[in-house]
This record gives sequence, structure tokens and C-alpha cells, in this order.
Amino acid sequence: AQKVTQAQTEISVVEKEDVTLDCVYETRDTTYYLFWYKQPPSGELVFLIRRNSFDEQNEISGRYSWNFQKSTSSFNFTITASQVVDSAVYFCALSEVVQGAQKLVFGQGTRLTINP
Amino acid sequence: DAGVTQSPTHLIKTRGQQVTLRCSPISGHKSVSWYQQVLGQGPQFIFQYYEKEERGRGNFPDRFSARQFPNYSSELNVNALLLGDSALYLCASTRPRRETQYFGPGTRLLVL
Repeated sequence: AQKVTQAQTEISVVEKEDVTLDCVYETRDTTYYLFWYKQPPSGELVFLIRRNSFDEQNEISGRYSWNFQKSTSSFNFTITASQVVDSAVYFCALSEVVQGAQKLVFGQGTRLTINP
Repeated sequence: DAGVTQSPTHLIKTRGQQVTLRCSPISGHKSVSWYQQVLGQGPQFIFQYYEKEERGRGNFPDRFSARQFPNYSSELNVNALLLGDSALYLCASTRPRRETQYFGPGTRLLVL
């Protein structure tokens, strides 16, 4: 079965520090998708990025960057120069097709607190 | 374009009651999925519907059921509520053959 592990349950940093959120996954599929979502206190899951298993290019979007390494089954997320508005719970997820349904398998989440 | 919408936002029920949650997908999205998120955990897959047909079901009892309407909106029904059903219920929509699911704000259900 697919599995996603986010070993860091909580991280607290001071504003403007860089912070990296770790994600390790397990899958037997050769083709798969990985995702990061942000969940602010309001509860809605906000899509951040999707990565295909055959595309190992790192991606940068403003202060956000993602490092995908197939060799170590990791898909880590770095926020540069963190801001208070980055405070949220962040989830890493892996897509799985079961009985024709495409479902997401989520990690436990990492609660990120950015202190002013 | 409007995002995924869900109603109601909050709900309080007592054990044994039944509840219906509603979801409207993003315009053009034909697939709807439901997830349950218990406090402190990641969301767990319940159902996925596409073109009014159930495409898959997670590890949830038969007390949980859903349906999708011709306009692609969906309802999640939970019968004989238990205290453990207290959770945030999230709906997500996606375009056919697309992998990204976009989530709504969720319905917070409290069972007393």
C-alpha cells in the first residue's frame, strides 16, 4: 500500500528564517503524482504543487521550492524568508488509483508556526 | 471561477442521528471526492464519484453513502452517527483524467 510520512509534526521558526518540510513516500507504482497542500486555520486545503514521478526537476515558485528525489523517495518543501502568513499545516500527498478511483494518500501533516 | 463550495459549514448532531453534507464542484469538473479529516490527522479518502457513478470507496462502513447529481454536485450521507464521526469533511473536485484535486472549505461535524 502507498504510504506518506511527514516525520516533523511541528516546526516553529522566527520570521525570515528558511524552513524545510520533509516528506518521504512509499509506492510500488512506477508512475505516480506527488502533491503539497497548505491548510490554514480556516480548514480549506490549498493546492501548492503537483509533481510527476518522471519529472525530477526541482521547482521554484517565489519563496517556495520543492526538491524531488526519486532515489530517496523524498519530496521536500522549502520556504525561504518565511513570513507569518506561512503559518499553517502542510500536507504531502501521493496519488493512488484504486478500483478506478484516483485517491490521495496524505501524510500526517506538519504544523508550521512562523513567529514575528 | 468559483471554487468548490460545501454546505453547511458547521453542524452539530447527536449519536444515532443522520446527516447530509453537500458539495458543488468547480465549473467544468465532473469528478467529486470526499475525505474525512479527524483532528490532528491527514484527510482519509471516503468516496470518489464520476459521471454519477461511484468509482472507488475507502475503508469506511456502510453507514457512509454518497451520490452525484446530473449537475455534478454531490451529497455525502452518514447514518447512525457515532462520536467518532466528528471530523472535518472535505470535498474535492477534479477534471476528467486530471490528477489535481481542488478542495472546498469543508464541513465541520460534531457528534455529541
